Amino acid sequence: QKEVEQNSGPLSVPEGAIASLNCTYSDRGSQSFFWYRQYSGKSPELIMSIYSNGDKEDGRFTAQLNKASQYVSLLIRDSQPSDSATYLCAVPGGDNNDMRFGAGTRLTVKP
Amino acid sequence: EAQVTQNPRYLITVTGKKLTVTCSQNMNHEYMSWYRQDPGLGLRQIYYSMNVEVTDKGDVPEGYKVSRKEKRNFPLILESPSPNQTSLYFCASRTAGLGQPQHFGDGTRLSIL
Repeated sequence: QKEVEQNSGPLSVPEGAIASLNCTYSDRGSQSFFWYRQYSGKSPELIMSIYSNGDKEDGRFTAQLNKASQYVSLLIRDSQPSDSATYLCAVPGGDNNDMRFGAGTRLTVKP
Repeated sequence: EAQVTQNPRYLITVTGKKLTVTCSQNMNHEYMSWYRQDPGLGLRQIYYSMNVEVTDKGDVPEGYKVSRKEKRNFPLILESPSPNQTSLYFCASRTAGLGQPQHFGDGTRLSIL
């Protein structure tokens, strides 16, 4: 089992809709979780971090964490074409506690 | 400006010709890492360093070397590059402590012919 798993997509939503991105992780001891956005050919950019169970909102983005289910999600409200990118879930883990990344979910927002 | 700087951004070279990709950060971060990114495989860690003179293997270290002689620099060395090392490479740094996010460089696209 991979340490961090995401649906690879592609996920396509119309402009203005809610995009829902999901991630599961294997290390029950993980305490922090990150979402990165990566435009094609560019470096990953941190957009959200979450440390506690429940929801964390930042503008149009909401991260949701359920440690019991080992599940973290990212909701993007009022999706815009500029949100079209690959979204990477990242969880510290392993012997060095360094970041483990999912393979990413490619999101396309259609005008 | 806080940043991670990689050079070169693009490189096309031939099998067996040694190359070095440099990485420098100006944030006084303890941790530095190298990742490669291939389609469908996501970001895979090659090597990481927890501080000066402390380095360790990541998930895909074969064919690569690193060194950490200064806190700010973490070069990636390919002694004898092969075509399967053609990839997009990212250097990243973060401060010490549990759950600190990675800060990424702009990436280096390597093509080994």
